[in-house]
Amino acid sequence: DQQVKQNSPSLSVQEGRISILNCDYTNSMFDYFLWYKKYPAEGPTFLISISSIKDKNEDGRFTVFLNKSAKHLSLHIVPSQPGDSAVYFCAASEETGSARQLTFGSGTQLTVLP
Amino acid sequence: KAGVTQTPRYLIKTRGQQVTLSCSPISGHRSVSWYQQTPGQGLQFLFEYFSETQRNKGNFPGRFSGRQFSNSRSEMNVSTLELGDSALYLCASSPPTPKRYFGPGTRLTVL
Repeated sequence: DQQVKQNSPSLSVQEGRISILNCDYTNSMFDYFLWYKKYPAEGPTFLISISSIKDKNEDGRFTVFLNKSAKHLSLHIVPSQPGDSAVYFCAASEETGSARQLTFGSGTQLTVLP
Repeated sequence: KAGVTQTPRYLIKTRGQQVTLSCSPISGHRSVSWYQQTPGQGLQFLFEYFSETQRNKGNFPGRFSGRQFSNSRSEMNVSTLELGDSALYLCASSPPTPKRYFGPGTRLTVL
């Protein structure tokens, strides 16, 4: 049973427009959320994160929104650039005993068209 | 600081064989996690080690095992390889925060 879901396997956006990537989760114990970007033949790289005590976090062109009541997370990229084309994974973290476990979604392939 | 390194980058094995993958974390990071990435399945958590102790394990069969050494370097082993084990295996190290720093991965192909 997937606790973190990215229901859109792919998304295409024109350069300069907004990209919105979505993520839903089911586990109410998740208290920290992250977005990672992955290019082919490379490992995922950290993009932006948000704690459950916030509803928005911004870093340059990237903004993450958290709606705890809907258990929904979104990543906004404005403006989108061709170099943003990659697979984006959302991840959710919870404390389990003495450790923190990270659960990933299945990813969304973003293609930014020039 | 050097990033997470994984060796080898590519491996081809046949069914029934076993394989060992290696990971060197970022200096100072004591936690190492392993993930399996297959198309459409995202990153599936295998296990996490901290100070040579496994502190979390994902839902994988016992053929998948790992260990961590005193210098925080980690290895994972897969015995009796199956075709379905073909995947990208990612290692991540972390300081005591939720953030993970990933290596480039080892692409395993089982024929």
